[in-house]
Amino acid sequence: AQTVTQSQPEMSVQEAETVTLSCTYDTSENNYYLFWYKQPPSRQMILVIRQEAYKQQNATENRFSVNFQKAAKSFSLKISDSQLGDTAMYFCACYNQGGKLIFGQGTELSVKP
Amino acid sequence: KAGVTQTPRYLIKTRGQQVTLSCSPISGHRSVSWYQQTPGQGLQFLFEYFSETQRNKGNFPGRFSGRQFSNSRSEMNVSTLELGDSALYLCASSLNTGISYNEQFFGPGTRLTVL
Repeated sequence: AQTVTQSQPEMSVQEAETVTLSCTYDTSENNYYLFWYKQPPSRQMILVIRQEAYKQQNATENRFSVNFQKAAKSFSLKISDSQLGDTAMYFCACYNQGGKLIFGQGTELSVKP
Repeated sequence: KAGVTQTPRYLIKTRGQQVTLSCSPISGHRSVSWYQQTPGQGLQFLFEYFSETQRNKGNFPGRFSGRQFSNSRSEMNVSTLELGDSALYLCASSLNTGISYNEQFFGPGTRLTVL
């Protein structure tokens, strides 16, 4: 079975600093995708960044970047220059050809002024 | 383009009742997936519909069912409601043809409370 684990239930960071959220996953598939989603208090799920497993290069989206370690099945999210608007629940997720997104338990990030 | 819409946004039911939730995907999207979000279990996949057919299913009891119409709108039905069905129900739409992954766009969710 496919699993996604986020070991940090809560984290906090000072505005303008950098924070890294951890995620490990387990899948027997060769072809899969990994994602970080953000869910602010409004509960609207927003895609932050995605990584295709066959790509070795780490994905980046402005202030967001990932460290994808395929052999270790690790997929961490780095947020640089944290902003107050980054305060949200962050979910790591894995998708394979089975057609379903499997989510981790989430990390609640607070950005403090 | 309009985003994914879900109706109603909030719903209160009592145990034993049934409920129907609706999801309208982004125009042109043919895949609709449903997820249940609870504090204890997190986000769990319920099922996915594509072109009016259930293509994938999660590990939920048969009380949870769904369907998709020819315009890609989808409904989810829960019969004989239990207290544990209280949750935020999210739907997501995508182009997903099954050949490769396409981004899932989420709706705002329906908050169901079972008393």
